Amino acid sequence: EPEVTQTPSHQVTQMGQEVILRCVPISNHLYFYWYRQILGQKVEFLVSFYNNEISEKSEIFDDQFSVERPDGSNFTLKIRSTKLEDSAMYFCASSTGVRETQYFGPGTRLLVL
Amino acid sequence: AQSVTQPDIHITVSEGASLELRCNYSYGATPYLFWYVQSPGQGLQLLLKYFSGDTLVQGIKGFEAEFKRSQSSFNLRKPSVHWSDAAEYFCAALMNQAGTALIFGKGTTLSVSS
Repeated sequence: EPEVTQTPSHQVTQMGQEVILRCVPISNHLYFYWYRQILGQKVEFLVSFYNNEISEKSEIFDDQFSVERPDGSNFTLKIRSTKLEDSAMYFCASSTGVRETQYFGPGTRLLVL
Repeated sequence: AQSVTQPDIHITVSEGASLELRCNYSYGATPYLFWYVQSPGQGLQLLLKYFSGDTLVQGIKGFEAEFKRSQSSFNLRKPSVHWSDAAEYFCAALMNQAGTALIFGKGTTLSVSS
């Protein structure tokens, strides 16, 4: 069964550094998403992406964040200058359509020191 | 405000006993509803979903959920819990007509005792 994959599984970085989280969505899916889960809190929507454009973004997704589909398979989330409060589990998801089931990857645990 | 509420933070059930996890939503119309499960170190796995039609939906691993419009609820049930069901369970909803953002509840942690 096709799966969403994410790399790395864990990343530790220093405050102020840039990080790039990578995702490979399911191959025939057209919509891509990033969510995050701060420890002990809800899973929160960050951004959705379709046809090489952001479809929707939350208030969390400020200028420090960007997304890109650099090639036909990868989908990345970049945090330009990390803050302590960016420490969280980041989930990538993909779906075939706008109101279809979103399938999630295993997550990247980001720790900002 | 649009929200999903899971009233129970932690539930412990004996192996073989039945399970019901509660989920309520706040929205002016009927959302698309989902239950996901997260085992330790794993991603979010879809258990089942409700879009429309039959209000009792069947999912994987023997789970089912019932949508009740009058109660704005979508409770997850399993008649007989197995030790491997111990995990965190998330209820989620797609609420806006053209929206793409899943709104999640805080999750319910299920422990299974022998």
